[in-house]
Amino acid sequence: EAGVAQSPRYKIIEKRQSVAFWCNPISGHATLYWYQQILGQGPKLLIQFQNNGVVDDSQLPKDRFSAERLKGVDSTLKIQPAKLEDSAVYLCASSLVAGSVGEQFFGPGTRLTVL
Amino acid sequence: RKEVEQDPGPFNVPEGATVAFNCTYSNSASQSFFWYRQDCRKEPKLLMSVYSSGNEDGRFTAQLNRASQYISLLIRDSKLSDSATYLCVVNRGYSTLTFGKGTMLLVSP
Repeated sequence: EAGVAQSPRYKIIEKRQSVAFWCNPISGHATLYWYQQILGQGPKLLIQFQNNGVVDDSQLPKDRFSAERLKGVDSTLKIQPAKLEDSAVYLCASSLVAGSVGEQFFGPGTRLTVL
Repeated sequence: RKEVEQDPGPFNVPEGATVAFNCTYSNSASQSFFWYRQDCRKEPKLLMSVYSSGNEDGRFTAQLNRASQYISLLIRDSKLSDSATYLCVVNRGYSTLTFGKGTMLLVSP
């Protein structure tokens, strides 16, 4: 079974530029998560989708971050404009069960460096 | 108080040692608890769920103390391959998770 796919794996941009990340969850998984993991920290939830609806985006900095999950499958996370403190690994995860806590399967992440 | 707190370590132990990690959580309404493992520059992976009665999976034992809002992970007979960061995870809300900062374990020959 294919795992969670993410691209790109690495991205280097200058502050104030825009960047987008893509995620393809495991087939059939209803719930998709985007996390930000800063070096030395645990993953921090940015946004959670159930199918194509948003369940939780309370920790998403909405002035610069946006995310969508069209058709309840793939998802994109965008940062516009980027700040130095956005340098982190952006992890996408998916889980099979909708509406309850189940095992989350993570993708390899996108490592973003903002100069 | 942070939602999930862990000692960041690192814990340096020799092969064959027994090591224990602790974690405290602030939300008394939390119902689901997990330990995830994260290798260096890799994604987190579920190690085990933590049940009220305690549970064991091979060399790994997890315990939950709801009264003290405390979770533990015990690793017996440590292997070199156990070197990783162990993330304590607690549910926040209906289906979302909060991750601790993680505890780093280094097992040496």
